[in-house]
Amino acid sequence: GAGVSQSPRYKVAKRGQDVALRCDPISGHVSLFWYQQALGQGPEFLTYFQNEAQLDKSGLPSDRFFAERPEGSVSTLKIQRTQQEDSAVYLCASSLARVPLVNYGYTFGSGTRLTVV
Amino acid sequence: AQTVTQSQPEMSVQEAETVTLSCTYDTSESDYYLFWYKQPPSRQMILVIRQEAYKQQNATENRFSVNFQKAAKSFSLKISDSQLGDAAMYFCAYRSFLIQGAQKLVFGQGTRLTINP
Repeated sequence: GAGVSQSPRYKVAKRGQDVALRCDPISGHVSLFWYQQALGQGPEFLTYFQNEAQLDKSGLPSDRFFAERPEGSVSTLKIQRTQQEDSAVYLCASSLARVPLVNYGYTFGSGTRLTVV
Repeated sequence: AQTVTQSQPEMSVQEAETVTLSCTYDTSESDYYLFWYKQPPSRQMILVIRQEAYKQQNATENRFSVNFQKAAKSFSLKISDSQLGDAAMYFCAYRSFLIQGAQKLVFGQGTRLTINP
């Protein structure tokens, strides 16, 4: 597609409910990132995929957070037993480049706003 | 770990005037990339300008320019001839040049820019 597509755009979950957030990167983009943006804050890194391999998951805040990209394209961020502190915008970004030393750009999606009540 | 600090939560400027947004960062690396991103209400992060740390010349993109002071670890954004469409949240971001950890962006807290007509 022309851009990075994220769905749903808004999600309201009851505390304790499991949620799944979807990211459709630009076709052919090798790298895919998830960021968490709390209200009034800058985005914080969660995890990074190169194709289907999850190369960095150091930003995932707890074992309730899980991300996958099984075929190297669409990615899903799953949050189990949601808590109020999980309320945030979840941004996905993708990039064409594979080699980290190449100066390249990221394309961001419009995010999913998750509200846990 | 690298940190990025934006000390101005909010800024405002009259249309057609010039405004400067501040950013400082902390790193022990000598090579890295710095970015300014714009986030309108649509939530999509849009790249405004980027700077390679090994380049002494300040980056410029039309009405946007940076003042990069490597020794001071300062990276400010100047917007000339401000337009109503420039109103948004602006985030300063850092990316390592090293292979390990090279992929993720480290963001500041953001500055909300208001343009007064």
